Amino acid sequence: GAVVSQHPSWVICKSGTSVKIECRSLDFQATTMFWYRQFPKQSLMLMATSNEGSKATYEQGVEKDKFLINHASLTLSTLTVTSAHPEDSSFYICSARKPLAVPGTDTQYFGPGTRLTVL
Amino acid sequence: GENVEQHPSTLSVQEGDSAVIKCTYSDSASNYFPWYKQELGKRPQLIIDIRSNVGEKKDQRIAVTLNKTAKHFSLHITETQPEDSAVYFCAASDSGGYQKVTFGTGTKLQVIP
Repeated sequence: GAVVSQHPSWVICKSGTSVKIECRSLDFQATTMFWYRQFPKQSLMLMATSNEGSKATYEQGVEKDKFLINHASLTLSTLTVTSAHPEDSSFYICSARKPLAVPGTDTQYFGPGTRLTVL
Repeated sequence: GENVEQHPSTLSVQEGDSAVIKCTYSDSASNYFPWYKQELGKRPQLIIDIRSNVGEKKDQRIAVTLNKTAKHFSLHITETQPEDSAVYFCAASDSGGYQKVTFGTGTKLQVIP
């Protein structure tokens, strides 16, 4: 299998502060990683696609200046929630795409998630 | 973009019975359909997937069927056990370069002992 880690697993911060979440692929290189947000009892909503060495692609309605994404290496992507507010409180999950031998058969592996609570 | 609908939102079955979850998708270009199981506070776990060149796939008690013409796919769990209780998400992946995955709304499955 493949392992994707996230750090921190949970964070509590004051309103107005910034929070950085790291997503690492531990045993494979991932040119593409994805960031999702999941509110309680809801589905995973894709926020952005993170590409190593280039700008992230954001989904409609997601503020790129508020959710900064950096994919500086093939094993690390970071999501920074800037000027966090209580409505940003959510479960943030990353996934990393592991290329397989057969083109078009890549599989996504999810990180354990980060629970953000903004007071 | 892709839109994935999932039904039912909740499902209760007696232990040993079968459970069926159905999904429809909108983008005919989607060609990969994974199913995930998510326990409370945990990451989604891939339980089975199917690609558009296959109509059915089975793995022990779990099977998935795909009807490309109708653009719907289903998850079948037989001989359900209490540990099958969780939220299940279907998903569809586009055939674009990034292969983004769009999730369904989820089904909370409760298996009653």
